[in-house]
Amino acid sequence: QKEVEQDPGPLSVPEGAIVSLNCTYSNSAFQYFMWYRQYSRKGPELLMYTYSSGNKEDGRFTAQVDKSSKYISLFIRDSQPSDSATYLCAMNPSGYSTLTFGKGTMLLVSP
Amino acid sequence: EAGVAQSPRYKIIEKRQSVAFWCNPISGHATLYWYQQILGQGPKLLIQFQNNGVVDDSQLPKDRFSAERLKGVDSTLKIQPAKLEDSAVYLCASSLSTGNEQYFGPGTRLTVT
Repeated sequence: QKEVEQDPGPLSVPEGAIVSLNCTYSNSAFQYFMWYRQYSRKGPELLMYTYSSGNKEDGRFTAQVDKSSKYISLFIRDSQPSDSATYLCAMNPSGYSTLTFGKGTMLLVSP
Repeated sequence: EAGVAQSPRYKIIEKRQSVAFWCNPISGHATLYWYQQILGQGPKLLIQFQNNGVVDDSQLPKDRFSAERLKGVDSTLKIQPAKLEDSAVYLCASSLSTGNEQYFGPGTRLTVT
């Protein structure tokens, strides 16, 4: 079993839809959870950063962590064509250790 | 604020040749990372520098890969000799200190034929 599992997609939705992106993980030591957005032929860009369990909201984006289920989610409200990208989850046990990335989910938002 | 700069953006070489990539981190960022991202995969850390010292190079194939960060600023990553499986995007990232807010450059797309 891989440490971090993420469905590669693609996930296709119409503009305005609510999008749910998810990762599962096996290492119970993970405490810090991140979501990165990566446009084609660009480097990843940090979107959300959360510690331990709970929710964090930033504009149209909400990150959710359920440590008991080893499951994290990123919700995008009112999705836009400009949200079309690959979304990578990443996590580590402490702020000072190596990040483990998921494979990324490709999201396509059609006008 | 200028972002992380990388060059070249694209490189095509034949197997057994050598290649070098350059990275200029965000000004003032002490920590610099090199990642390898194979198509369809997430980035995998190759090496992490704190200033000009190596913090983690456990996943760097040291028989063919080398990296240095002279004067704690710019960094170069070298592959010699290259193999077909080295075809990937090589990403450089930097952060203020060893922490999670890493800022990535655009990457260098390497194709080994």
